[in-house]
Order: sequence, then C-alpha cells, then structure tokens
Amino acid sequence: NAGVMQNPRHLVRRRGQEARLRCSPMKGHSHVYWYRQLPEEGLKFMVYLQKENIIDESGMPKERFSAEFPKEGPSILRIQQVVRGDSAAYFCASSPAGLETQYFGPGTRLLVL
Amino acid sequence: DQQVKQNSPSLSVQEGRISILNCDYTNSMFDYFLWYKKYPAEGPTFLISISSIKDKNEDGRFTVFLNKSAKHLSLHIVPSQPGDSAVYFCAARTHNAGNMLTFGGGTRLMVKP
Repeated sequence: NAGVMQNPRHLVRRRGQEARLRCSPMKGHSHVYWYRQLPEEGLKFMVYLQKENIIDESGMPKERFSAEFPKEGPSILRIQQVVRGDSAAYFCASSPAGLETQYFGPGTRLLVL
Repeated sequence: DQQVKQNSPSLSVQEGRISILNCDYTNSMFDYFLWYKKYPAEGPTFLISISSIKDKNEDGRFTVFLNKSAKHLSLHIVPSQPGDSAVYFCAARTHNAGNMLTFGGGTRLMVKP
C-alpha cells in the first residue's frame, strides 16, 4: 500500500534553470495538492488539482510556476528560471476526493545555487 | 496575515507526562481542523482531526479539543513518549474554499526519557 511518492527527493539547480517536481498520489486518490515550506515556516498552499483540471491555484506565484495533473502519469510542479528564493521543501498531498483528509509525500527539497 | 498561529515554537516534556500543543486561529469560517506530525526530512503525517460541530475528538493517546468561542484548539498527548518528538502542525480549512489547508508555523516537541 504505497503512500504518496515524490521525486526527486533532492534537487539542485542553478539560477535560471528549470525545476520539475513529480508527485504520484496514493492509489485510488484523484485529488492532488502542492504545498511549499520555506525554512522555519509552516506549509503554504500552492495549488489543488484533479485529473486534467486545476481546481484552485490561488497560492501559486503568478509567474514562472505551473502545475499539471495529466490523465496518465504523475502530477508535475514546474518552476521556470529558478531564483534563490525558490529554495524550499515542496510537498505533495493527495486525497480520495475533495474535503477528505490529505496524505503527504516525503517532499522534494529544492536548492537553488 | 497569519490565520493559524502556533505561538510556542518549542515544548519540552518528560516522558510519561502530558504534552499540550496549542493553536489559535482568526478565520471564523474555518470548519475543520487537523493536526499533523513531521519528522525531519519527511512529509507531514496525519494524526487527528476535528469538525467544528464537535468540541473534542480522541484517538488513543491523542485528544484534540476545540474552543470555537476562543478560536483555539489544542492537542493533548498522554502519556508522552520519546518517539513523539517531532514538529507538530495545526491546520484548518473552510468548506467553501475547497480542500485548501492553512497551516500554523509548527511547534517542536521534545520528549525527554
């Protein structure tokens, strides 16, 4: 009974490069959420997706960030032209339906040099 | 504008005693509250939740209390064990804002043997 899978666990990028973070939800879960945790802070909501649909992206920065959850394959959080301020832990969570408990993956720790 | 606050960044408790972690919120529209535990380099793990129609929910050693008039909730762990040492996050959501969770900043609990 695999939990939420995220890869890579650690990602190092230089300023200006692109970062792609992947999330495979728990089996049977069709709702995916992305959160970001800056050092010494709590988690901040970024985006909520269902298969092929963005439900709520109110927490996403307006530029450089995008997310998708295709019909097949994992959800992807994409950060273009990364800057040092993007360095953080990015967590994905999934739930079987809306308004259900969210279960989190181990996170991807992004370091921008 | 922190809608969910955990004012104690850390708490130290002796093994076997009670741990009480506190959380305050400002948004009266929050109707569901959750507690997550997080170990270093791992994702948050769901512990216990409570709906706003209740004032108490218990699961084994963990009990969550909700005081709506004070906009305050607390997590009690009895008896505390060294394995409980982790960062605890309180989170809240509103029914009409989808399943977006708003997190507090976390409290680091240290249980001493």
